[in-house]
Amino acid sequence: QSALTQPRSVSGSPGQSVTISCTGSSSDIGGYKFVSWYQQRPGKAPKLIIYHVTERPSGVPGRFSGSKSDNTASLTVSGLQAEDEADYYCCAYAGDFTWVFGGGTKLTVL
Amino acid sequence: EVQLEESGGGLVQPGGSLRLSCAASGFTLGDHWMFWVRQVPGKGLEWVSRIDHYGSSTTYADSVRGRFTISRDNAKKTVFLQMSSLRVEDTAVYYCARDINWGSLDLWGHGTLVIVSS
Repeated sequence: QSALTQPRSVSGSPGQSVTISCTGSSSDIGGYKFVSWYQQRPGKAPKLIIYHVTERPSGVPGRFSGSKSDNTASLTVSGLQAEDEADYYCCAYAGDFTWVFGGGTKLTVL
Repeated sequence: EVQLEESGGGLVQPGGSLRLSCAASGFTLGDHWMFWVRQVPGKGLEWVSRIDHYGSSTTYADSVRGRFTISRDNAKKTVFLQMSSLRVEDTAVYYCARDINWGSLDLWGHGTLVIVSS
């Protein structure tokens, strides 16, 4: 159960796009289609923004999108807005009914 | 209102025990797997445990297996996390979360802080 690898921080200007990577292995990200992404603002609980690699819950803006290639999942935020500034975490199913989170990425809107 | 509310956190000495509760409202608890996730203040999220709809299947992170026990009472709309042999490194905010499909956690509580310290 090793944590997934995310960049510690990314940044972009309003209107730009940023992509956050999440690297695992063939035992988690590469082996299943169960990758989710969470947004967490300071002092708040995490919020689900992407599940099953690419699916968006109702109410989540279309600016958020997910993808996966081999052992790496990615979250792209297009048309950056100030309110997108937060911590983002990936999470993947790792087999045998266990899950693993990434270390988190701080997104700064310049 | 659809919500989860954790309780039971607090200060406990190393080696001690604590039971966390997660009260569900506004939805049918028995329709969902439930998870516990923890977060050391200022650090990342860590999956702790999962329980299936009726409590017949439970799984744990390596870091807590054998010390923590997850359970549920659907009639009382509550999920529990019994924590024993607590260590300093178990200090964290503990969140309960509702699963909609294979680890997709769409509803979270506000968390309860557990501090393990002498």
